[in-house]
Amino acid sequence: DAGVIQSPRHEVTEMGQEVTLRCKPISGHNSLFWYRQTMMRGLELLIYFNNNVPIDDSGMPEDRFSAKMPNASFSTLKIQPSEPRDSAVYFCASSTTKAFFGQGTRLTVV
Amino acid sequence: QKEVEQNSGPLSVPEGAIASLNCTYSDRVSQSFFWYRQYSGKSPELIMSIYSNGDKEDGRFTAQLNKASQYVSLLIRDSQPSDSATYLCAVNNDMRFGAGTRLTVKP
Repeated sequence: DAGVIQSPRHEVTEMGQEVTLRCKPISGHNSLFWYRQTMMRGLELLIYFNNNVPIDDSGMPEDRFSAKMPNASFSTLKIQPSEPRDSAVYFCASSTTKAFFGQGTRLTVV
Repeated sequence: QKEVEQNSGPLSVPEGAIASLNCTYSDRVSQSFFWYRQYSGKSPELIMSIYSNGDKEDGRFTAQLNKASQYVSLLIRDSQPSDSATYLCAVNNDMRFGAGTRLTVKP
């Protein structure tokens, strides 16, 4: 299995632009998680899905962030408009009973 | 808000020593507990899971769970410089993490 696949690996964008991060979970996993990691705040859970349904989005920082999971093999995290304080590494993870992480997307908003 | 807390660290131990990492959680009905290791610039990787009170051993790693006291710990025996990383505790199927403890093993 290829594991959890995230794209892009690196993203540099200008403030105000829309950013879309993508995740392909491990086949057969029924839960998917989006995290943001910074030095100051550590690894924060943004949202998680179970069977493609959002279960808890209380970690989504504000309305500029949105996440979708249209099917069992794909999820997106969108930031619109992006701000410099959104700069972080964003991880996607999928699980059945144990979670496995993708390689992450390093987002820089200038 | 369910919380997971870890001893702040950083933690430094000499090579060959036992490293002890601790985690407490607030949700009394938590059932699943996980330890992840994250090397600098890499993604977290699962090293241990534990579901029942007591100890679970896997090689040099031992996870200890005490549900009554709401803590879970990770012991690393015969610590090696390659164990130097940040160790993250996660609780339950919603996978909320503690802040992590940075461990340095000095040769």
